[in-house]
Amino acid sequence: EPEVTQTPSHQVTQMGQEVILRCVPISNHLYFYWYRQILGQKVEFLVSFYNNEISEKSEIFDDQFSVERPDGSNFTLKIRSTKLEDSAMYFCAISETASYEQYFGPGTRLTVT
Amino acid sequence: RKEVEQDPGPFNVPEGATVAFNCTYSNSASQSFFWYRQDCRKEPKLLMSVYSSGNEDGRFTAQLNRASQYISLLIRDSKLSDSATYLCVVEPNAGKSTFGDGTTLTVKP
Repeated sequence: EPEVTQTPSHQVTQMGQEVILRCVPISNHLYFYWYRQILGQKVEFLVSFYNNEISEKSEIFDDQFSVERPDGSNFTLKIRSTKLEDSAMYFCAISETASYEQYFGPGTRLTVT
Repeated sequence: RKEVEQDPGPFNVPEGATVAFNCTYSNSASQSFFWYRQDCRKEPKLLMSVYSSGNEDGRFTAQLNRASQYISLLIRDSKLSDSATYLCVVEPNAGKSTFGDGTTLTVKP
């Protein structure tokens, strides 16, 4: 099973600040995903990324969010100006290609105060 | 109608019981289907993919009924370690996944 690591494990930030969440896949999988899970709620798809561009995104993934893979290994999710409602667990996932099984990282817990 | 709808649960069963979860999806064009399990405050872990022909992995059997747009998961001989939330996942189009709310299973000694 492919490994995915995420940093940091927990991030506390103040409302209005920018945060960058990082994902490092330890494999050659080509598809990357970000999900979020607000405490007690379902896992929600944010965005998928393939070949250095966004493949699909949800309504949640608005202009305050961006993704990139700056150095060919790290995959980042940036939230430009955090809101209280951005507090959630953010999971990165990878798959060999679209519509294949996805393997999740352990998540980053984001707390916005 | 929700895109992916699961049995609300929770399910509380004794060890050794057989338990079945159902999941319905609204987009008839969906092509890929999966079951994941999620332990409290942990990441989802793939349990199995679901194929049209049905598939089995040990005590776990998944079925897909495209005509009725539902997926099922059967767990036989439940173990304490099966206690978790089971997530139904559907891909309405490639690269985009929709998760159900999850069904919580507690297996008791």
